Amino acid sequence: DTEVTQTPKHLVMGMTNKKSLKCEQHMGHRAMYWYKQKAKKPPELMFVYSYEKLSINESVPSRFSPECPNSSLLNLHLHALQPEDSALYLCASSQDRRGPNTDTQYFGPGTRLTVL
Amino acid sequence: AQSVAQPEDQVNVAEGNPLTVKCTYSVSGNPYLFWYVQYPNRGLQFLLKYITGDNLVKGSYGFEAEFNKSQTSFHLKKPSALVSDSALYFCAVRDGYNNNDMRFGAGTRLTVKP
Repeated sequence: DTEVTQTPKHLVMGMTNKKSLKCEQHMGHRAMYWYKQKAKKPPELMFVYSYEKLSINESVPSRFSPECPNSSLLNLHLHALQPEDSALYLCASSQDRRGPNTDTQYFGPGTRLTVL
Repeated sequence: AQSVAQPEDQVNVAEGNPLTVKCTYSVSGNPYLFWYVQYPNRGLQFLLKYITGDNLVKGSYGFEAEFNKSQTSFHLKKPSALVSDSALYFCAVRDGYNNNDMRFGAGTRLTVKP
């Protein structure tokens, strides 16, 4: 089973709202990732968690706040977003972050976010 | 730092014909190379990867890719295209020696016509 689930599938929010995106995997993976993807563009890495600790923050604005409550869950808290933040937000996981045979990332279906 | 180039924004092939989606890479260390496919409004699906060993890598749905170190390429191929192969294809690279995280190419939209 290589399933990563994400909720919600779609989210519409105003610029003053607070919302959260959720990601879950039960593959025993210890690395989890958030990506942002604009239309017809490649995914852009936002955050990486390795063994529940934040390993990478790719200079993402503070209005995006990641959280890894346990090894199966990854959240992305959203606050005071801008319309340009509208995108597909993808979660991924891998068995490990850097092993040559354990770093294949498996992606969830994404959350389509629209900021009004 | 590593980077990936997918020189074609769009590839069109007829059903039943062979297809090739091109990818070239640049890394300072050992390249770990990946292909992913994305269908509309969906996440990315892993197709195949090259770490070491045979230069020809076989993956899901009949796809394969050939690693060519001298040309720094990792082109995706399939002997006989299906209409259902129409999707957005991403090549990605990780520098295994320097342990950097994965970076994606810009993507190539493949359209297979009946």
